[in-house]
Amino acid sequence: AQSVTQLDSQVPVFEEAPVELRCNYSSSVSVYLFWYVQYPNQGLQLLLKYLSGSTLVKGINGFEAEFNKSQTSFHLRKPSVHISDTAEYFCAVSDGQGAQKLVFGQGTRLTINP
Amino acid sequence: DADVTQTPRNRITKTGKRIMLECSQTKGHDRMYWYRQDPGLGLRLIYYSFDVKDINKGEISDGYSVSRQAQAKFSLSLESAIPNQTALYFCATRDRGSTEAFFGQGTRLTVV
Repeated sequence: AQSVTQLDSQVPVFEEAPVELRCNYSSSVSVYLFWYVQYPNQGLQLLLKYLSGSTLVKGINGFEAEFNKSQTSFHLRKPSVHISDTAEYFCAVSDGQGAQKLVFGQGTRLTINP
Repeated sequence: DADVTQTPRNRITKTGKRIMLECSQTKGHDRMYWYRQDPGLGLRLIYYSFDVKDINKGEISDGYSVSRQAQAKFSLSLESAIPNQTALYFCATRDRGSTEAFFGQGTRLTVV
């Protein structure tokens, strides 16, 4: 079974500052890793994913994440945030087999202050 | 039009009532999922389906049932709603050969 822990429930940052949202996972098998974003009153949208290969993954809206197998982490980063990045961010893992059920973390609410 | 449509978007119901949440998709995906979202808990899987004849329980299926009426339609029912089923419910779809799931806009359900 897999599990995901997002280490921060809320992250406030100022506009144009860098941000890192932390995610750790546990699994006994190889996994696929995802970051989803949920804007207010909307569903979830895929930001980026790691399946294999390069450990640095680039996604939409200037976000990137780095897969670290030894630390079982998949932290999300953006060098300069905008007001429009205000949203809730979810890290998720799947085992990459069969049903590929997504197991989500608790979510991190990112608030961008002007 | 949205690729994954959930109806209703908001619903208030009374304890003990039966309620159905509906999901339809135009993406042609075979896999469909129902999740619930609670503050501080993220999303948890209720049921999932690979096709019309293949329904599987997820992490928190107690108190819920589902029906896959067609490849494009997947309904979630609460037979006798209780207040702790108050949550935001999401339907998602995924194509067999893909790793990306597509989510509806959610149904906010309040049980009073």
